[in-house]
Amino acid sequence: DAEITQSPRHKITETGRQVTLACHQTWNHNNMFWYRQDLGHGLRLIHYSYGVQDTNKGEVSDGYSVSRSNTEDLPLTLESAASSQTSVYFCASSDWGSEQFFGPGTRLTVL
Amino acid sequence: AQSVTQPDIHITVSEGASLELRCNYSYGATPYLFWYVQSPGQGLQLLLKYFSGDTLVQGIKGFEAEFKRSQSSFNLRKPSVHWSDAAEYFCAVEGGPSGTYKYIFGTGTRLKVLA
Repeated sequence: DAEITQSPRHKITETGRQVTLACHQTWNHNNMFWYRQDLGHGLRLIHYSYGVQDTNKGEVSDGYSVSRSNTEDLPLTLESAASSQTSVYFCASSDWGSEQFFGPGTRLTVL
Repeated sequence: AQSVTQPDIHITVSEGASLELRCNYSYGATPYLFWYVQSPGQGLQLLLKYFSGDTLVQGIKGFEAEFKRSQSSFNLRKPSVHWSDAAEYFCAVEGGPSGTYKYIFGTGTRLKVLA
């Protein structure tokens, strides 16, 4: 069955370190999205991509970057982790005109 | 600005009682509308979606939602709640046929079910 996976599921890191969260989907979807989930804010869009070599900033993109070198993967990089980036991160994918399918999430703690 | 409002942060109902979760949106055109459910420590699962057509939409797990254009609402309902329905529920909107495939999420409603 097609799926979307995220790794690691849990990560603890220190302030200032670079961190990369992986997202891999086997749906062959064109669109991929990264969200962060924080209490009282729901899910907020960080970055998104409509296809290979395409990336776009969402509403909370500062301090994050993504790259799309193939259809299946959209890794999210925190260039220099900050305590404010402690959150749960969700990756999602969709095809044109369909709903988004979500991964299981990565819980990131920045100390 | 485009927005989604879920006015109830927490709702508690007794098992077997009916449920209605509210969702209001602010959007220029008729958007696509979604309800997702999130169990603790899990990702989001789609309950139902509205793209066009019949404004009463049936979803999984016995849920339904009604799109009311005049009220800019898309409320989620279930006639009889089960203990396993305890979870957090998110309403989301997307721009429709001319949209950008990006969602705007509400802040969620956490449902507690009493035995």
